[in-house]
Amino acid sequence: QVQLVQSGAEVKKPGASLRVSCKASGYTFTDFYIHWVRQAPGQGLEWMGRINPNSGGTIYAQKFRGSVTMARDTSISTAYMELSSLTSDDTVVYYCARGGHYYFDFWGQGTLVTVSS
Amino acid sequence: QSALAQPPSASGSLGQSVTISCTGTSSDVGAYDYVSWYQQHPGKAPKLMISEVSKRPSGVPDRFSGSKSGNTASLTVSGLQAEDEADYYCSSYAGSNNFVVFGGGTKLTVL
Repeated sequence: QVQLVQSGAEVKKPGASLRVSCKASGYTFTDFYIHWVRQAPGQGLEWMGRINPNSGGTIYAQKFRGSVTMARDTSISTAYMELSSLTSDDTVVYYCARGGHYYFDFWGQGTLVTVSS
Repeated sequence: QSALAQPPSASGSLGQSVTISCTGTSSDVGAYDYVSWYQQHPGKAPKLMISEVSKRPSGVPDRFSGSKSGNTASLTVSGLQAEDEADYYCSSYAGSNNFVVFGGGTKLTVL
């Protein structure tokens, strides 16, 4: 069965960087995009960007260009999302999700990141 | 403020039907047939219920259906069941600049 398993919760200081991993199993990793979506506590969903695991090509939402980097390691079927210059506004749950161009059919369990001094 | 407008809440009685709207613009919902709907229970990851306006993934009950008219997409849940109580989010492709945008979510209560 398709599974996306994310790295665990993190606490970061303002200005630090963050890396979240997303390990895929149960399907051919290079056949589907990996998207990253985040959700502030009690708030809605926000799309951050996607990576094509086959080519490594990325598309980032305008808001995150310059601060986010998405990468993958096909040898271990794992995608990564790095976010720099963290602020308290980045205290959210980060999800990775498998999908097509514009939909997300399987989601990771989420990674809670707390940014606090 | 979310790019797509959804009512904050909706409700219906067991067995009844409820429709949730998702209003965008001619640059997103109205321009492309790439509207998706997600169900999210508290503390859980979202689940895809509808893609490409009206396509239901395998395993999603046929009580869930999607449609679109102009700049507004809709999710209809028929024969409401207790487990349908959740938050529902719509999303749409919005062109090469914004790419994917979401609605603010609708909390569905089953009475």
